[in-house]
Amino acid sequence: DAGITQSPRYKITETGRQVTLMCHQTWSHSYMFWYRQDLGHGLRLIYYSAAADITDKGEVPDGYVVSRSKTENFPLTLESATRSQTSVYFCASSAVSGANYGYTFGSGTRLTVV
Amino acid sequence: AQTVTQSQPEMSVQEAETVTLSCTYDTSESDYYLFWYKQPPSRQMILVIRQEAYKQQNATENRFSVNFQKAAKSFSLKISDSQLGDAAMYFCAYGDNTNAGKSTFGDGTTLTVKP
Repeated sequence: DAGITQSPRYKITETGRQVTLMCHQTWSHSYMFWYRQDLGHGLRLIYYSAAADITDKGEVPDGYVVSRSKTENFPLTLESATRSQTSVYFCASSAVSGANYGYTFGSGTRLTVV
Repeated sequence: AQTVTQSQPEMSVQEAETVTLSCTYDTSESDYYLFWYKQPPSRQMILVIRQEAYKQQNATENRFSVNFQKAAKSFSLKISDSQLGDAAMYFCAYGDNTNAGKSTFGDGTTLTVKP
């Protein structure tokens, strides 16, 4: 079924490890976004991409790296995981500017850093 | 920078009753969009309703409607005939075309529906 898929759904990793969260969408949407959700903070933007090979920082980019070599994939890498990066991570996409029509979200990845 | 404020961390409603969730925002733009998203316990974020700022008419989607007060920068969500399946966290969000189409989210309101 077409949609936006995140993997894994749950992940436990150790402090200092590198971990990559995957995001794949089948609509060829131009815009893709990574948000983190923490209690009391709503959703905060980490990185976003307007098209393949175009990425930019959001509100909380430190400690994260993204790439977008293909339109459909937008992986998020934590270079050296810290406990403060324990969170639920959401990938989202939008065909046109998300400002106009809103986002379609993946089901999220719950990441625990121990 | 644009901000979105949801002043009610938690709300509850009796099944079949009506509940209103509040949202205020701050922007200097005249052309923008507002959204309500629902996040049930499954964690999946679902777009519930969308409002274009240039439209005076309030958006409606079945039992969900909004009260959009542009001058007051207020955007509340009304849920009529509440159902157990409406229990979720609701996020208000703002977007405009000046900031690469990024949306800003409020902190959310957790809605409990009592049978």
